[in-house]
Amino acid sequence: NAGVTQTPKFQVLKTGQSMTLQCAQDMNHEYMSWYRQDPGMGLRLIHYSVGAGITDQGEVPNGYNVSRSTTEDFPLRLLSAAPSQTSVYFCASSYWADRGTEAFFGQGTRLTVV
Amino acid sequence: KQEVTQIPAALSVPEGENLVLNCSFTDSAIYNLQWFRQDPGKGLTSLLLIQSSQREQTSGRLNASLDKSSGRSTLYIAASQPGDSATYLCAVRTGSEKLVFGKGTKLTVNP
Repeated sequence: NAGVTQTPKFQVLKTGQSMTLQCAQDMNHEYMSWYRQDPGMGLRLIHYSVGAGITDQGEVPNGYNVSRSTTEDFPLRLLSAAPSQTSVYFCASSYWADRGTEAFFGQGTRLTVV
Repeated sequence: KQEVTQIPAALSVPEGENLVLNCSFTDSAIYNLQWFRQDPGKGLTSLLLIQSSQREQTSGRLNASLDKSSGRSTLYIAASQPGDSATYLCAVRTGSEKLVFGKGTKLTVNP
């Protein structure tokens, strides 16, 4: 049972480069989201999706783009990387329910922008 | 705006001690509260989920309580072990789409 899988685990980018962080889940969860974790800031929501074809912005969406073409995959795109985007990125998924259900997280992608 | 606070930020205890981690939140209109464990350089592992209508949940040596009206949750760890050393995060689900996290309590259990 793979759960939530993120790739790559580590990445170094130069300022201005673009890249896509991959996230896949095999639990048939409707809801998927991306968070970033920074020292002293905790985890903050970047973007989320409640199903294929439906995405919305979270707390810190600037500089990131998402799409959801399948239930399983929710990639996060950095359009033009900046040093301020150096962080650890986590993807999460859960069933969609009025009261909310247990969230499952991937192992994270540690991104450094130089 | 919902805010989640975890106290203390760090805790060091000898092996075998029973301990309590605290989590408080400012808005009682939550759907549920979830406790996570995070090991250094790793992802978040879900420990316990408490729905807003529940008072507590138990899993092995862990017991989490929820007092929604006072905006508080506690995570009780019985007979702590060095393997329990990690950062513990609590998060509240304020709407169907969003988890709001505390900054965590870093626990060290000394042999």
